[in-house]
Amino acid sequence: DQQVKQNSPSLSVQEGRISILNCDYTNSMFDYFLWYKKYPAEGPTFLISISSIKDKNEDGRFTVFLNKSAKHLSLHIVPSQPGDSAVYFCAASARAAGNKLTFGGGTRVLVKP
Amino acid sequence: GAGVSQSPSNKVTEKGKDVELRCDPISGHTALYWYRQRLGQGLEFLIYFQGNSAPDKSGLPSDRFSAERTGESVSTLTIQRTQQEDSAVYLCASSLMGAGSTQYFGPGTRLTVL
Repeated sequence: DQQVKQNSPSLSVQEGRISILNCDYTNSMFDYFLWYKKYPAEGPTFLISISSIKDKNEDGRFTVFLNKSAKHLSLHIVPSQPGDSAVYFCAASARAAGNKLTFGGGTRVLVKP
Repeated sequence: GAGVSQSPSNKVTEKGKDVELRCDPISGHTALYWYRQRLGQGLEFLIYFQGNSAPDKSGLPSDRFSAERTGESVSTLTIQRTQQEDSAVYLCASSLMGAGSTQYFGPGTRLTVL
């Protein structure tokens, strides 16, 4: 039973354009959401997070949107750069149950120069 | 400052052997987590240590898996009688105390069970 799903396994985008990554979750207890980026042979690197009391959080080129009623979040990267090519993981936690994260399966992003 | 380190970076073992994987968290981080990533999949939570509280072992897949942590420092994940399905990248993360604290990951240990 996958509680966090990333339905697009891959995404290809032109440099300078917007990348939109989507994530759906089923557990209504989740109240904290994160995006991590992972390069091959490295551990995931934290990108951005959002609490369930917000619907948007922005940090430079990265913006995360949360739609609680739809149990959906998205990550927007604009403008996309070749160095953004990596696998992106959506993760969620129910803070009352501790800080353990439940991850989606990842989306591989390729930014073409 | 130093990040999370893990050793070994790669481990190849034969089915049935025991393995130990080590994690050194960021200094001052009271919480430590183990996850694993099988090929082509997302990360799976295994176990979580928070200060002196009893660890959350709810993600351990079988009783062949165990982990220990000495105080607020090094942790060791032990897999006994390894099976081929244990092949994965085992990732350790650490964070400050408290819900919502950002977890910082090590580079992982790639375990291959032949």
